Amino acid sequence: EADIYQTPRYLVIGTGKKITLECSQTMGHDKMYWYQQDPGMELHLIHYSYGVNSTEKGDLSSESTVSRIRTEHFPLTLESARPSHTSQYLCASRLSQGGSPLHFGNGTRLTVT
Amino acid sequence: QQQVKQSPQSLIVQKGGISIINCAYENTAFDYFPWYQQFPGKGPALLIAIRPDVSEKKEGRFTISFNKSAKQFSLHIMDSQPGDSATYFCAASRAQGAQKLVFGQGTRLTINP
Repeated sequence: EADIYQTPRYLVIGTGKKITLECSQTMGHDKMYWYQQDPGMELHLIHYSYGVNSTEKGDLSSESTVSRIRTEHFPLTLESARPSHTSQYLCASRLSQGGSPLHFGNGTRLTVT
Repeated sequence: QQQVKQSPQSLIVQKGGISIINCAYENTAFDYFPWYQQFPGKGPALLIAIRPDVSEKKEGRFTISFNKSAKQFSLHIMDSQPGDSATYFCAASRAQGAQKLVFGQGTRLTINP
């Protein structure tokens, strides 16, 4: 089982609140990713990082932001949550070598009321 | 060019039968094709992956068949078991660079006992 941790597992929050979803991995992986997934549906890449101080937008536009100050930590922040942000957020990481597997955390299920 | 199309959306197979899920991709630059298995409340987990230099890869009851000219690949689950009931995602990416996986729409597989 991959060592990638996401907290919280579930979050219910009101509109307009600022939230940070935490993601940490203990495998020393350079590359980290955030995917957004509606339950049982396709995964969409919203952010990725090559390494420390490197962040890029993914293929799906998102109002969230990310930071990568430490190799093992890749938090995602929403400055002002809205009901349209309700979804599951999955963090993942991998080694840089070609074809290395992508390891996922168990996700944070966010509900904005 | 970034799409990966997966079918069927849902599949019901009797215990002991063969489950077959198909995917097609458009981007000829893709050279890494994994399959992920996801159980409710969990993140996706890598099941098996293939590179385009081979036409088939087998791991236990799971086999990937790859057709480069048709830009298609499929997952076969032999002797399907109730414990295989999950959602399956195909994906594709370049093996180098950002290695951003593009996921198919998912197949919800149910194995009836």
